[in-house]
Formats: sequence, C-alpha cells, structure tokens
Amino acid sequence: EVQLVESGGGLVQPGGSLRLSCAASGFTFSGYSMSWVRQAPGQGLEWVSYISSSSTTIHYADSVKGRFTISRDNAKNSLFLQMNSLRVEDTAVYYCVRESSYSFNYWGQGTLVTVSS
Amino acid sequence: QSALTQPASVSGSAGQSITISCTGTSSDVGRYNLVSWYQQHPGKAPKLMIYEDSKRPSGVSNRFSGSKSGNTASLTISGLQAEDEADYHCCSYTGSSTPWVFGGGTKLTVL
Repeated sequence: EVQLVESGGGLVQPGGSLRLSCAASGFTFSGYSMSWVRQAPGQGLEWVSYISSSSTTIHYADSVKGRFTISRDNAKNSLFLQMNSLRVEDTAVYYCVRESSYSFNYWGQGTLVTVSS
Repeated sequence: QSALTQPASVSGSAGQSITISCTGTSSDVGRYNLVSWYQQHPGKAPKLMIYEDSKRPSGVSNRFSGSKSGNTASLTISGLQAEDEADYHCCSYTGSSTPWVFGGGTKLTVL
C-alpha cells in the first residue's frame, strides 16, 4: 500500500523557516517524481514544487521561488521542503504527492503550516 | 500562469447528472491532453478521479467521466449519490517552468 506521511509543520513567525519531510513507503520511491501541493484555509489547491526521480529536474511556483528548496533522499525514501523567509500567505496545509502520467495519484494526509506573529 | 476557472458551486439531485467546467487557455488545457480532476471531502486529502483528460484510475466509479473541448475541460458525474458531495479541483499540465496549474475548486452539493 502506498503511503506518504508528512511531518514538520507548525506555527512560525513571519520571516522564519521550517523544514517539511515526507516519508514514503509501499512503492519504489526512487522511480517516481514527487511534488508538494498546498491549500490555504478555505481555498483551492496550489502546486508548489516538483522534483524528478533522480533530482535532475526541479521546478518552483513563482510564489515560492527563491525562498523554498525541494530535495529528496532516495536511500531514505524521503522528500523534503525547506521553507525560508516565510510569509503570512504561505499559511496552508502542505501535501506531499506522487506524480504519474502528469497527474498526482497519491497524496499524503497533509501537514499544517501557520505563519503568524 | 493564471489559475484555471471553475464555477464556485454546482448542485444536483440524487440520481441526476451534473457537469463541472474547467476553463484554461491554449497554453495549458488546450495544448495538452493532460487535465486531471480531484475529489476532496472536508478535512481529507484530495483523490485522483480523472487523468489525461478522460482516463479513470483503477477503483474510480464509471459514474465519473472527463472530456475536453478546446480550452475547456469538463467532469461529469452521473447518477449522483450523497457521497459525491465534495469539492472538485481540476488541474492542467502546462509544459512550462511552472508545470501545473489548478482551478479554484467547485463545491458540489447533492440535494
């Protein structure tokens, strides 16, 4: 069974940093591209960042470019999102998602990031 | 890349059919056969319902179908059931440096 379990969310002040982690199991993690997708309270979904299976290709949404860094450790079946210079508008549930056929076929349960003073 | 346009809400009676539209541009929805649809119940993670415009993942009911015409994709749910009440999100691959764009989401109410 495919499982994606996020951790690392919490309350942080504007300008602060957080590192999200996603532990993957039930599939060959090194064979799949992964993304982070977020959802602000009461809002729609927003794609945040993408990393290819071997980390050779990385993309970011314009809203987070230069502040967020995506990475992965295939040996540890883990995906990460380092978030710096956090803003109030980054407040959201962050989902770790597996990409297949240009869609997102497995989602974690999400981790809540709240940016507030 | 601007968000795709979806109606904020749609409703239908149990047993009826409804269609949710998702309008993009010739750079995203109209350029690739790569629109996907996600169902999200309150407090839950989204679930993939349709990919590549009209394909259903294993385990998804055949009451759910996807189609596209030009820059507008559509999700049709036939034989509405109470458990279909949820938010539905469309998403398109763009092929750009920001590869995916979502719609704003549509709340489906089953009367």
